[in-house]
Amino acid sequence: SSELTQDPAVSVALGQTVRITCQGDSLRSYFASWYQQKPGQAPLVVIYGKDNRPSGVPDRFSGSGSGDTASLTITGAQAEDEADYYCNSRASSGDRYVFGTGTKVTVL
Amino acid sequence: QVQLHQWGAGLLKPSETLSLTCAVYGGSFSGYYWSWIRQSPGKGLEWIAEISHSGSTNYNPSLKSRVTLSIDTSKNQFSLNLSSVTVADTAVYYCARETWNGGYGWFEYWGQGTLVTVSS
Repeated sequence: SSELTQDPAVSVALGQTVRITCQGDSLRSYFASWYQQKPGQAPLVVIYGKDNRPSGVPDRFSGSGSGDTASLTITGAQAEDEADYYCNSRASSGDRYVFGTGTKVTVL
Repeated sequence: QVQLHQWGAGLLKPSETLSLTCAVYGGSFSGYYWSWIRQSPGKGLEWIAEISHSGSTNYNPSLKSRVTLSIDTSKNQFSLNLSSVTVADTAVYYCARETWNGGYGWFEYWGQGTLVTVSS
């Protein structure tokens, strides 16, 4: 069972802002990373650490966190942002990773 | 640029052992942890286990009793064995490289994924 909880699905109008949240005790100890997954593809990291974007990830993706909750925000969502998004962090025990339950983002 | 290429049998019968190997091209092999992650059809991501270049391992408790990891630094490869598979082990399996910065890590590079189907 996952120890990081995400809303199953969210929708956003084209060009608008959407925030995806991830909740779990491990986030009090470790930063979350966020992964975008499109059908038939391997996940792609979009945010890691406090708010770091890998090279090539648009700056409309940003991350934040407080306490037991981490958030991924897409500011000005584009059609190509429609995907599943997963959060991930080290478990509180420090000896394994946990993934969030995943959020399907639909761009209207 | 770092690339991970994985391979292994795609169709197994219940009770058989799943075996996958991941080869790393480009970048350094030493100094990193290497993970296996899977995704059952239509489901979310599940972390399986990790191994360091020196052979240190950590496992998902739910799979630990059936998982064996190995690493071959001379070939820049690491492998996953999952014994006594059942239909519930049907999934796309990914290998991935962890990158660490201070006290946190993330999966920076991923293999292409291998669909493993368990069916009698």
